[in-house]
Amino acid sequence: GNSVTQMEGPVTLSEEAFLTINCTYTATGYPSLFWYVQYPGEGLQLLLKATKADDKGSNKGFEATYRKETTSFHLEKGSVQVSDSAVYFCALSDHGNNDMRFGAGTRLTVKP
Amino acid sequence: GAGVSQSPSNKVTEKGKDVELRCDPISGHTALYWYRQSLGQGLEFLIYFQGNSAPDKSGLPSDRFSAERTGGSVSTLTIQRTQQEDSAVYLCASSLLPGYLLAEAFFGQGTRLTVV
Repeated sequence: GNSVTQMEGPVTLSEEAFLTINCTYTATGYPSLFWYVQYPGEGLQLLLKATKADDKGSNKGFEATYRKETTSFHLEKGSVQVSDSAVYFCALSDHGNNDMRFGAGTRLTVKP
Repeated sequence: GAGVSQSPSNKVTEKGKDVELRCDPISGHTALYWYRQSLGQGLEFLIYFQGNSAPDKSGLPSDRFSAERTGGSVSTLTIQRTQQEDSAVYLCASSLLPGYLLAEAFFGQGTRLTVV
């Protein structure tokens, strides 16, 4: 079945540090890939998405590239801010299935 | 409404009681999902509704859990004979199209269920 595996947290970084959160997936079809973010006290919201191989999703300085050869969709940001502190979820949706599958989430804390 | 609305926002119930959680999706969204988020855990898929099709119940953890969606809009998740391990945040999401058609899901704020 489809699944998403993302790096375990928590991740603690200093402001302006480089961020990578790894995400790999298993899918039987041709999935679309997403990163969702959950800020403290708020609901999940879409951060970025990519719909086919080699697509790059980007938003708010975050980027992720759909790599079919490595079945990965790693999230990166060149310079994190305190306001980026949140839980990040990698997810996929697949033509062969009805639901969106989420990773376990990675908690990021950015210190000033 | 403008977004996905869930009620109640918090629910404390005694072990063994039944609870109902409500979700109002975004108007016009045909797909509706229920997820469970336990403390320190990721999102666990529970059930998926798409239009008038039979729901995908493959994620329901036991027969104490059930859900319905009336008129293709509002959905109710029912947990019978609640147990302490049912304590979690229950999230509802809706999307305009099925997930595989690339529409992202919009999430509600969730219902925090505590079974004491």
